[in-house]
Formats: sequence, C-alpha cells, structure tokens
Amino acid sequence: GAVVSQHPSWVICKSGTSVKIECRSLDFQATTMFWYRQFPKQSLMLMATSNEGSKATYEQGVEKDKFLINHASLTLSTLTVTSAHPEDSSFYICSAREESGLAGISYEQYFGPGTRLTVT
Amino acid sequence: TQLLEQSPQFLSIQEGENLTVYCNSSSVFSSLQWYRQEPGEGPVLLVTVVTGGEVKKLKRLTFQFGDARKDSSLHITAAQPGDTGLYLCANSKLTFGKGITLSVRP
Repeated sequence: GAVVSQHPSWVICKSGTSVKIECRSLDFQATTMFWYRQFPKQSLMLMATSNEGSKATYEQGVEKDKFLINHASLTLSTLTVTSAHPEDSSFYICSAREESGLAGISYEQYFGPGTRLTVT
Repeated sequence: TQLLEQSPQFLSIQEGENLTVYCNSSSVFSSLQWYRQEPGEGPVLLVTVVTGGEVKKLKRLTFQFGDARKDSSLHITAAQPGDTGLYLCANSKLTFGKGITLSVRP
C-alpha cells in the first residue's frame, strides 16, 4: 500500500521559535496533501490542503501566516509552525491522496505516522 | 459542513465479545471511510464504502453502509486486544467524526 512518512516524529521547541515538519509520499505521487491537528483524546481537525505548485487552502480559523505550508514537489509537503506557543503543542498528522484511475479520482488518503510537537 | 456522529464514544469489552459501533449523519455521504488509530500513530484506512447497502468484510470486521447512505456500522466479531484503538469515520470532504475509543481487555 501507499506509504507516507513524516519527519520528525517528535520535537520539543521553545516558545517563539519556528518548527518545520516534513511529509513525504514514498511510493506514489501526491498532487494534494492534507495537514491535520489532533489534540489528546480528540479527533482529527483538518487545518489545510496542500496543493503542489500552488498556494495551500486553509480551513476557517487556521492562520495561514502562522502555519506556513509549502508543497514544492509531488512527494513533499512541509508545514512550518512559526513563532510557536505552548497552545500549538499538538499531534500534527499529514495525509496524501493517491490519485487513481483514468479520471485521476481517488477517495482514499493515506496518513503519515504523525509528529508530536511540544512547545515549552 | 456535514456533521458526523459516532457512537458510542467509549467502549470497553472483554476479549471474545462482539460489538457494533456506528457513524451517522443527517445528510448523505458520497463516500465514507473507516480508520483505526493507535496512540501516537496516524490513522490507518480500514475500508471505503460508496454504494448504499454495501457490506464489506475485513477478517473479523464487517462494515455496512446504510441504504440511504446516511449511516454506517462497524461490527467486530470475537474482539481481540489487538483491536484496541480509536475508530474514526470520515466523509469524502475529509471531515472526521469524534471517534470511538475501543478497549479490549484480555
């Protein structure tokens, strides 16, 4: 099956610093990747949709200047949390949609293993 | 935004028991996915259902999509400790339900 990796698995940073998280599709090309945030014992909340070669689409309430997304290639998207604060501490998960079929339409997305961010 | 309601929220059962959990919405799903997530890991896709009335089986897991495509159920037969995890349903627009936390005691 399709494999998505994330790096790093966990990171601890000081308040005010920036942190970059990478999401890679290892064995397929993904024109679209998605970034989620998950707080303890809660479900996944979609933050933004990352489109290769164009600007990301952010969900309502997500600050695009704080959560910078870059999707420079068909296998890599990055999320940079700028000027991190303790309330940004969370589990960040990316996913990639594998396009399939002649129509290029797929219902399925594959998730990375997540990145645990702790801001002190 | 389509709201997905999952029930029950928490379930703790003994190994060997059967269980059924649900994902419901007031509006029609174009497609619905079930995932399982273990602590500290990303969700893993279990199944995608598209057609009303569809039934899919994955070993001891049986997934059913309602005829009207507004609800889905997941039935686990003879649950095992390895089934423990957070079960999430999601629609095609990447909206997730709050999840069902399942704990299977040995």
